[in-house]
Amino acid sequence: NAGVTQTPKFQVLKTGQSMTLQCAQDMNHEYMSWYRQDPGMGLRLIHYSVGAGITDQGEVPNGYNVSRSTTEDFPLRLLSAAPSQTSVYFCASSSMTGKSTDTQYFGPGTRLTVL
Amino acid sequence: RKEVEQDPGPFNVPEGATVAFNCTYSNSASQSFFWYRQDCRKEPKLLMSVYSSGNEDGRFTAQLNRASQYISLLIRDSKLSDSATYLCVVLSGYSTLTFGKGTMLLVSP
Repeated sequence: NAGVTQTPKFQVLKTGQSMTLQCAQDMNHEYMSWYRQDPGMGLRLIHYSVGAGITDQGEVPNGYNVSRSTTEDFPLRLLSAAPSQTSVYFCASSSMTGKSTDTQYFGPGTRLTVL
Repeated sequence: RKEVEQDPGPFNVPEGATVAFNCTYSNSASQSFFWYRQDCRKEPKLLMSVYSSGNEDGRFTAQLNRASQYISLLIRDSKLSDSATYLCVVLSGYSTLTFGKGTMLLVSP
């Protein structure tokens, strides 16, 4: 199993550009999520999904869109990049025990710089 | 009040030392607790879950005090390879995970 994969590993964008960060998992996990990690801020939840066709907002959703058309994939779209979106982005997945999420498995991260 | 608070450190300890990290959380309805480890420029990985009765995994011991809303992690006989940032994570509701900012540990020879 590859676990959780993310592409690209690094990306530089200009202000106003759009792009999609890809995330895929091969563990048949129901729960998938996107976090951003900034120095001194810790991990903050952007969006999450508890299954195909279901998404919801996290703590910092503005400027980002997600969709979950399959169990495996959970792309994150930046609609119009801003310098404030410069960050490290982690995708995570987990199974769900009953109604609770289980151990989070993180992808290797995407380091995004917006100029 | 921040939801999950940790001392950012760094904690500088020599090899073989015992070191303890603490974490406090604000949501009394939180039901699950974890410690994750994050190496520099890497993704977080689960170190251990924290159970009400306390639990041990080799050199690592985690404890939970629900009354004080306090979680701890004890590392005995520190190794150089233990150098990392340790994240306290709290689950509230069925899918709301809140991460602390992490405590950095540096183990020196």
